[in-house]
Amino acid sequence: QKEVEQNSGPLSVPEGAIASLNCTYSDRGSQSFFWYRQYSGKSPELIMSIYSNGDKEDGRFTAQLNKASQYVSLLIRDSQPSDSATYLCAVRPLRGNNRLAFGKGNQVVVIP
Amino acid sequence: GAVVSQHPSWVICKSGTSVKIECRSLDFQATTMFWYRQFPKQSLMLMATSNEGSKATYEQGVEKDKFLINHASLTLSTLTVTSAHPEDSSFYICSARPAGGMAVAQYFGPGTRLTVL
Repeated sequence: QKEVEQNSGPLSVPEGAIASLNCTYSDRGSQSFFWYRQYSGKSPELIMSIYSNGDKEDGRFTAQLNKASQYVSLLIRDSQPSDSATYLCAVRPLRGNNRLAFGKGNQVVVIP
Repeated sequence: GAVVSQHPSWVICKSGTSVKIECRSLDFQATTMFWYRQFPKQSLMLMATSNEGSKATYEQGVEKDKFLINHASLTLSTLTVTSAHPEDSSFYICSARPAGGMAVAQYFGPGTRLTVL
């Protein structure tokens, strides 16, 4: 079982719509969860962190965490072409030398 | 805050030469630094984790004698690709983690694109 799974294929959304990304993780003891955005040819940048069950909003981004279901999601409201990127889910396992475990990422394409 | 720099941003070298990549945390002290490699259209691959003043911990399959990591200070880590070959051509990205508990994020440098001819 992979530590972090992001299974959806590329996601195409029209401009102005909501993009929804999902992520599941295997280590039930994980406490910290992050979403990174990676533009093509660039390195990842941190966009959201969440630690408690529920929703956390930051501008057009909302992260949702459900520890019982071991599930993290990211919503992007009013999607813009500049949101077109790969979004990486990252989880800090309880045991793991302080490293983050990353999912493979979900590509989002916002169509003008 | 939480800015990580990398130098050089790109390098082209001949097969058999060694290349050193520097990673610096500019506005925080990084107790732990990570080195990743990413091939085109593929996911991040963790190569090694280094703690300041300690030997790096390499992931399975990563040759420690080929990818030398030095984390000499709380703001600087270097990766040296020794005797580089064309198959080492990749995007190398460092990441730094400030001191703190489980809630602390990792911050990435801009990456170094290595091309070995």
